[in-house]
Amino acid sequence: LAKTTQPISMDSYEGQEVNITCSHNNIATNDYITWYQQFPSQGPRFIIQGYKTKVTNEVASLFIPADRKSSTLSLPRVSLSDTAVYYCLVGDGATSGSARQLTFGSGTQLTVLP
Amino acid sequence: DADVTQTPRNRITKTGKRIMLECSQTKGHDRMYWYRQDPGLGLRLIYYSFDVKDINKGEISDGYSVSRQAQAKFSLSLESAIPNQTALYFCATSDPTTTSTDTQYFGPGTRLTVL
Repeated sequence: LAKTTQPISMDSYEGQEVNITCSHNNIATNDYITWYQQFPSQGPRFIIQGYKTKVTNEVASLFIPADRKSSTLSLPRVSLSDTAVYYCLVGDGATSGSARQLTFGSGTQLTVLP
Repeated sequence: DADVTQTPRNRITKTGKRIMLECSQTKGHDRMYWYRQDPGLGLRLIYYSFDVKDINKGEISDGYSVSRQAQAKFSLSLESAIPNQTALYFCATSDPTTTSTDTQYFGPGTRLTVL
C-alpha cells in the first residue's frame, strides 16, 4: 500500500499560484498518481492523473520527479471557487486487491482568500 | 456527476432500523464503489464491485452489506443502523478501459442520520 502524506491545510490569495505537495515514498512501479477535488457536501471530482514528469490539463498541472516519491499539484491563478479539499491517491487500480487499498486520506483543505 | 445518482439524498432513521441506499449509473461502467465520509475526514471504502458477479469488502465493511442487481445498480444496506453510522455516503463508478487507472466518478451523496 502506497501511503500518502499531504499538508492538512493551505491558505492562498486570489490570483496566486498554489502548489500542493504529496509524499508517497513507497510508490510501486505500476502505480499512478491521481488528484481529486472535493467541495463541501459533494463527491470528489477527478482533476489530473500522471505517472512521471509533467502532466498539464485545462485545470491544473502535475509535477512528478524522477524518483516518483512525491508529486506536486499546481493550480494556476486560483479563485475563491477553488476553495476545496484536494486528495492525492496512489495506486494502479488494476486488480481487485489494489482497489481494496484505495484511500482518500484527509486531503488538503485549500482556502482561497480575497 | 449527473450520470451517477443516489437515492435518497437525505435520510433520518432510528437505531435498529434497516436502511437501504441506492446507486444508479448511466455511464456503462463495470466497477462501482460505496464510501462513507465523516465530518472533517477523508472517504473510507466500504464495499466495491468490479462486475455484477464480483463483490469485495473494503476498509470498513462491518455493519454493511451490498447488492449488485445489475451493471447499473449497486445498493448499500445497513441491516441494523446505529448512531455511529451517521455519515455522508458516496457511490462511485469507474472504468479502467477508458482511463489510465480507474478514475472514479462520484454521485452527489446521501446524508444519513441515525438517531
